[in-house]
Amino acid sequence: SAVISQKPSRDICQRGTSLTIQCQVDSQVTMMFWYRQQPGQSLTLIATANQGSEATYESGFVIDKFPISRPNLTFSTLTVSNMSPEDSSIYLCSAAPDRKAGELFFGEGSRLTVL
Amino acid sequence: AQKITQTQPGMFVQEKEAVTLDCTYDTSDQSYGLFWYKQPSSGEMIFLIYQGSYDEQNATEGRYSLNFQKARKSANLVISASQLGDSAMYFCAMRSISSNTGKLIFGQGTTLQVKP
Repeated sequence: SAVISQKPSRDICQRGTSLTIQCQVDSQVTMMFWYRQQPGQSLTLIATANQGSEATYESGFVIDKFPISRPNLTFSTLTVSNMSPEDSSIYLCSAAPDRKAGELFFGEGSRLTVL
Repeated sequence: AQKITQTQPGMFVQEKEAVTLDCTYDTSDQSYGLFWYKQPSSGEMIFLIYQGSYDEQNATEGRYSLNFQKARKSANLVISASQLGDSAMYFCAMRSISSNTGKLIFGQGTTLQVKP
């Protein structure tokens, strides 16, 4: 298993600002992902964080808006840039020790409110 | 493309009774995994149960069982002897084993409320 810590756990942000969310895993993992969960909705995959290379973004998400870093096998960051109220969501980091098998483990999420 | 469909936005069940949460999926992959997660109001994602596409027997984990019907592409979650603490949002999800992406795709979710 993997224990994932995210910070901040919540924040209130002003429109137009940017916020970086940190994700720390207690063991080396092959895969790390970032999800967004809008109020009352399901989880939508933003991108796969690739170690040492550019993240792989899903349709509808772009690097300029959601830059992602993954410098090693245990750490990743997601920045939400130039925020608007529509970015108010829970952002979840997840990790999988194996690329193909097993469940994904999730952090407790970062709840962002943009005013 | 992969797709997960949960057609029940909300469900009610009486305490101690069993409940089935529906999940259908669509994929062209030959090898895949199906998952159920629970999300209580606290927001954490709790892994419940896993079914591999080539597993011949339905998965069980305590009070949770997965009714896997591959030909119908369904993977329903059965919760036996419901408890008040089972009240939460439940997500069905799928992960391709054939591809190398490793990502998990979620359904819309079902909110379960257990009545005392």
